[in-house]
Amino acid sequence: NAGVTQTPKFQVLKTGQSMTLQCAQDMNHNSMYWYRQDPGMGLRLIYYSASEGTTDKGEVPNGYNVSRLNKREFSLRLESAAPSQTSVYFCASILDPNSPLHFGNGTRLTVT
Amino acid sequence: QKEVEQNSGPLSVPEGAIASLNCTYSDRGSQSFFWYRQYSGKSPELIMSIYSNGDKEDGRFTAQLNKASQYVSLLIRDSQPSDSATYLCAVKDDYKLSFGAGTTVTVRA
Repeated sequence: NAGVTQTPKFQVLKTGQSMTLQCAQDMNHNSMYWYRQDPGMGLRLIYYSASEGTTDKGEVPNGYNVSRLNKREFSLRLESAAPSQTSVYFCASILDPNSPLHFGNGTRLTVT
Repeated sequence: QKEVEQNSGPLSVPEGAIASLNCTYSDRGSQSFFWYRQYSGKSPELIMSIYSNGDKEDGRFTAQLNKASQYVSLLIRDSQPSDSATYLCAVKDDYKLSFGAGTTVTVRA
């Protein structure tokens, strides 16, 4: 029972490099989310996908793009990484709007 | 104004005491409310969900919701050292779930 799986767990990038954070869930959930967490800021929503084929911006979408590849997978891409994107990134999923979020274990990203 | 506000903390309570955590939210249309616990370096885990006004108890945890006052709280009774963590209040409106900044609780033996 894997739940929500994120890869990689850790990543160090230089300013200007690009990368894609991968997320997959095996719970047949409909909606998926990407959050970032910074000290003292709580969790801030970057993008979400209410259902397969749809994506919407959250609170802090600038500098990111997403792809809902299929029902299981939701990726987050940084096209040109900046030091301000140093953070811990969490992917999460829910079955329906009244369900609680199930989180992955997070990706710790450092941009130098 | 941030959508979800929590008492800033940190909150230090002696073992066996009651820890009280508060949260207010700005969107009157919010329908679902959650409390998550997050240990340092780990992902958040759900401890309580509440959807209607009143109290909901689960073991040593009690969540209280007052939609008219746009207020949700969490009480931790008989606090244990294992309760030392950051507690996140989350409010759902349709598909968007917004979090407060969290309150760090330390239970001292």
